[in-house]
Amino acid sequence: KQEVTQIPAALSVPEGENLVLNCSFTDSAIYNLQWFRQDPGKGLTSLLLIQSSQREQTSGRLNASLDKSSGRSTLYIAASQPGDSATYLCAVRGDQGAQKLVFGQGTRLTINP
Amino acid sequence: EAQVTQNPRYLITVTGKKLTVTCSQNMNHEYMSWYRQDPGLGLRQIYYSMNVEVTDKGDVPEGYKVSRKEKRNFPLILESPSPNQTSLYFCASWNVGKPYFGPGTRLTVT
Repeated sequence: KQEVTQIPAALSVPEGENLVLNCSFTDSAIYNLQWFRQDPGKGLTSLLLIQSSQREQTSGRLNASLDKSSGRSTLYIAASQPGDSATYLCAVRGDQGAQKLVFGQGTRLTINP
Repeated sequence: EAQVTQNPRYLITVTGKKLTVTCSQNMNHEYMSWYRQDPGLGLRQIYYSMNVEVTDKGDVPEGYKVSRKEKRNFPLILESPSPNQTSLYFCASWNVGKPYFGPGTRLTVT
C-alpha cells in the first residue's frame, strides 16, 4: 500500500530565503506526482505535476524534482514571500492510470516578513 | 470560469439524518472524486468516478454513497451520518493532468 510522508510538518522561515520541502513515497510504481497548495479554509490548488518519466518541473519561483527510484520529491521555493505561507501537499498517483491520489499530510509553511 | 462547486459549504446535522453534498464541475471532465480531510490523517479518497454511471471505491468508502447520472454532477450521500463522519470534504474533477478541487464542505455530525 502506497504511503506518502512529508517532513517537516511545519516550517517557519524569514522572507527572502530559499527553501525546500520534502516528500517521500514507499512504492516507486507511480504514474505521476503532484504538489498542491492549500490556504486555510480553502480548497487545493495544483502547483506542479511531474510525470513518472520526468525529473523536474518549474513554474515561476517553484521547482519540483522527482527521483522515482529513491521514492523522493522536493519542492524548491526561491526567494520566499509572505504570500507563500500555506500548507503544501504532495500526492502520488499509482501507475496503470489508476485514479487514486495518495496524499501526504502536508507541510505548513510560514514566511515571516 | 473553470470551477468545481460544492454545496453546502458548512453543515451541522444530527446522527442518522440523511444528507447530500452536491458537487458540480463546468469543465466537461470525465473523472470526479470525493476526499475527506482529517487532522493527522491527511486527505483520503472516498469514491471516484471515471464517467457517467461508472464509480468505484476509494480508501474509505464505508458509510458513503455516490452517483454519477450526469457528467457534471457527482453528489456524495450519507444515508445515516455518524459523528465519525465529521470532517472537511473536497470534491475534485480532472481529465488528464492537474485536478481541480472544490472549496470544501465542513460537515459536523452531532
